[in-house]
Amino acid sequence: QKEVEQDPGPLSVPEGAIVSLNCTYSNSAFQYFMWYRQYSRKGPELLMYTYSSGNKEDGRFTAQVDKSSKYISLFIRDSQPSDSATYLCAMTMNTGFQKLVFGTGTRLLVSP
Amino acid sequence: GAVVSQHPSWVICKSGTSVKIECRSLDFQATTMFWYRQFPKQSLMLMATSNEGSKATYEQGVEKDKFLINHASLTLSTLTVTSAHPEDSSFYICSASGTNTGELFFGEGSRLTVL
Repeated sequence: QKEVEQDPGPLSVPEGAIVSLNCTYSNSAFQYFMWYRQYSRKGPELLMYTYSSGNKEDGRFTAQVDKSSKYISLFIRDSQPSDSATYLCAMTMNTGFQKLVFGTGTRLLVSP
Repeated sequence: GAVVSQHPSWVICKSGTSVKIECRSLDFQATTMFWYRQFPKQSLMLMATSNEGSKATYEQGVEKDKFLINHASLTLSTLTVTSAHPEDSSFYICSASGTNTGELFFGEGSRLTVL
């Protein structure tokens, strides 16, 4: 069993839709949870990170962590074609961003 | 955000040759750099952690004699794939950690194709 599971997609939605991206994990020691966006042939860029359980909102993006279920989510409101990318969840036990364990990434396609 | 540059972004080599990939932090000093490998439709896998001025720490299953890492300065780390074989073809990505927040900044990746 992989430490982090993520549906690879692709997930296709029309512009303006609410997008829900999810990851499950098996290691209860993970404390820090991140979402990265990766455009084709580019390196990942950090979108959001949260510590432990709870919600965090940043503009159109909301990250949720449910440690009891070992389940994290990223919601994108009013999705735009420019949001089309691969979204990777990542998590770590450490206080910093080191030793990240990544999901496989979900490819999102937002059509105009 | 901080900028991490990788070079080359794309390289093709013959089997048995060695390839060097550079990772530079352009506007900050990176005490720690990380090298990842990403196969198609798979997740980023950490290969090794390099700290400036010391030997790299390799993850389990990564051959240190095959993937040579040098972190000679606070702005440059290099990954050399020695005696490359077709199964080494992958997307190699570095990331660098600044001294303040510890946040990781990723390079744009280097796609290696070994013929």
